[in-house]
Order: sequence, then C-alpha cells, then structure tokens
Amino acid sequence: EAGVTQFPSHSVIEKGQTVTLRCDPISGHDNLYWYRRVMGKEIKFLLHFVKESKQDESGMPNNRFLAERTGGTYSTLKVQPAELEDSGVYFCASSQNQGLHTEAFFGQGTRLTVV
Amino acid sequence: LAKTTQPISMDSYEGQEVNITCSHNNIATNDYITWYQQFPSQGPRFIIQGYKTKVTNEVASLFIPADRKSSTLSLPRVSLSDTAVYYCLVGGATNKLIFGTGTLLAVQP
Repeated sequence: EAGVTQFPSHSVIEKGQTVTLRCDPISGHDNLYWYRRVMGKEIKFLLHFVKESKQDESGMPNNRFLAERTGGTYSTLKVQPAELEDSGVYFCASSQNQGLHTEAFFGQGTRLTVV
Repeated sequence: LAKTTQPISMDSYEGQEVNITCSHNNIATNDYITWYQQFPSQGPRFIIQGYKTKVTNEVASLFIPADRKSSTLSLPRVSLSDTAVYYCLVGGATNKLIFGTGTLLAVQP
C-alpha cells in the first residue's frame, strides 16, 4: 500500500513567485493535515481537512497560503506570493480516524527554498 | 495541550538500551502520550502510544508512572539505524499534533 506522497520533493523559487505543493494521502484516509518546519523552528501544524472540508485552519500563517482538497482526495497548498520566511519543509500527513489512538502517517515532505 | 520537555540530544552505542524521558507536568485526564521518530529528510513516523503503566510493541516500550507527569521511551539494543530525532507528544481528542524540539539520538559504533 502506498504511503503519503508529496510532490515536489524540492522547490526553489524566487521571492514573489507562486508555488503549489501537492499531497496524496493514503487511500481511504478522510483526514489530511499540513505541517511545516521553518529553519531552526519546531514542526508546526497548519491545517486539517476532513474529506474536502477544512476542520481546523488555525495554523495557517497568513492569507498568502491557500489549501484545497477538492473531491476529498489529494490536497494542494499554494503559496502566493512567496516570501523568504516561507522557506522550510512542508509535511503532509493523513489518518483514517480522528482523536484518540490516531496514528498520523507523514509524507517525506517538500523542501521549499525561497530566494 | 500539554507542553512537553525532553533532552535536546543523547548519545549511545550500538547494542545499548536507550531511555528517553519526557516531562509533561500539565497533562490532562484525557491526554494520551505518543512518540514519533524522524529520520533525516523524512517525515515523522509513529512509534508508540500509551495512557498509563507500560506499553510494548515490536519497536519500543513506553513507561508511564502513576502520576503521568512524565514518560520514558525505551529502545532496546539500539543500532546505527536508530539515529534519529524522537518526539514526545501529549494530546487528547484532537489531531493537531504539537511537536516540541525532540531529542536527537546519535548512535555510534
């Protein structure tokens, strides 16, 4: 069974450009999450989808970030326009259930570098 | 969500048992304790989860004292491939995982 896959693995863009990250969760997982680690910081929660609906987007840093999950399958995270401080590793995770005893499966991450 | 405190780093040698302790003084009644492992250039990976006493699986053991204000992840007979960052997370009925700094375990030959 395929795990959580993220694309691209690396992206280098110039400040002001737009980048779109993609995440394919494990098949059948209704719950999808985005996290990120910026340089020298801890992994931080960005948002949580249940199917196509945003359950919790309290971690989204600002309105330059837009996450979608049309059809409740794969998700995209768009950064527009990108700023230098957006550089970091963006992780996607998925889980079958919510709450207690929930194991979240993470992808390998997308390393974003804004220059 | 309860804050966790764990050592920044630990060193060990192959074949030794490693115990990583995590403090979570403000743990709530409904909170579970979960440990994740992260290798370089990979996402975190679930290791083990528990509520109280002891939990054991094929990878590790988790010891939780009665007051639940701390927990200890025990890795038996570590190998070089166990070099990774280990995160202790505490949470209840939520999927917003709160990662701390983690413990960087370096296993040497």
